[in-house]
Amino acid sequence: GENVEQHPSTLSVQEGDSAVIKCTYSDSASNYFPWYKQELGKGPQLIIDIRSNVGEKKDQRIAVTLNKTAKHFSLHITETQPEDSAVYFCAASMGAQKLVFGQGTRLTINP
Amino acid sequence: DAGVIQSPRHEVTEMGQEVTLRCKPISGHDYLFWYRQTMMRGLELLIYFNNNVPIDDSGMPEDRFSAKMPNASFSTLKIQPSEPRDSAVYFCASSPTGPGYTFGSGTRLTVV
Repeated sequence: GENVEQHPSTLSVQEGDSAVIKCTYSDSASNYFPWYKQELGKGPQLIIDIRSNVGEKKDQRIAVTLNKTAKHFSLHITETQPEDSAVYFCAASMGAQKLVFGQGTRLTINP
Repeated sequence: DAGVIQSPRHEVTEMGQEVTLRCKPISGHDYLFWYRQTMMRGLELLIYFNNNVPIDDSGMPEDRFSAKMPNASFSTLKIQPSEPRDSAVYFCASSPTGPGYTFGSGTRLTVV
């Protein structure tokens, strides 16, 4: 089955700097790659997703890139703000159901 | 839209007791998922339903765990008997056909 590796497990950046989180997946049949943000005491919330027919997608300060050949994808957050502090999860699936999640990255934005 | 609603938010129970977690998915979503989140194992898919029918329960850890979806607006996850290692946050999520999982706020289960 699918296996998703995520790193780093923790990331601390200065406010205004960029943050990058990387994930690799094992199943070449996977074609859907969402990213979730989880704040304390809440469920994960979808922030951006990408399908395998697209190499990059951007939404304001957030972007995701996908390299199908290498089977890895990354989340980029620019101009980080204190409210970006949270745990971020990547996931992969074939189709959009049965997501397999990475282990999560705890992002801390230092003022 | 009220989103995915889970109850209770917190549950503390004694080992050996039966625990029932409840979920109301978003109206119109035809997929429902139960996940368990722990520090050691992260987010694990336990079981998911399509149109109220269980599709894949390969993530259910033991026979002590069971899930039902009697109708499109309600699902339960039951643990009987509960054990301390079942302590975790249990999430329910729903989605339409296609992308767009929406998670509930979770139930934090503590078995003492």
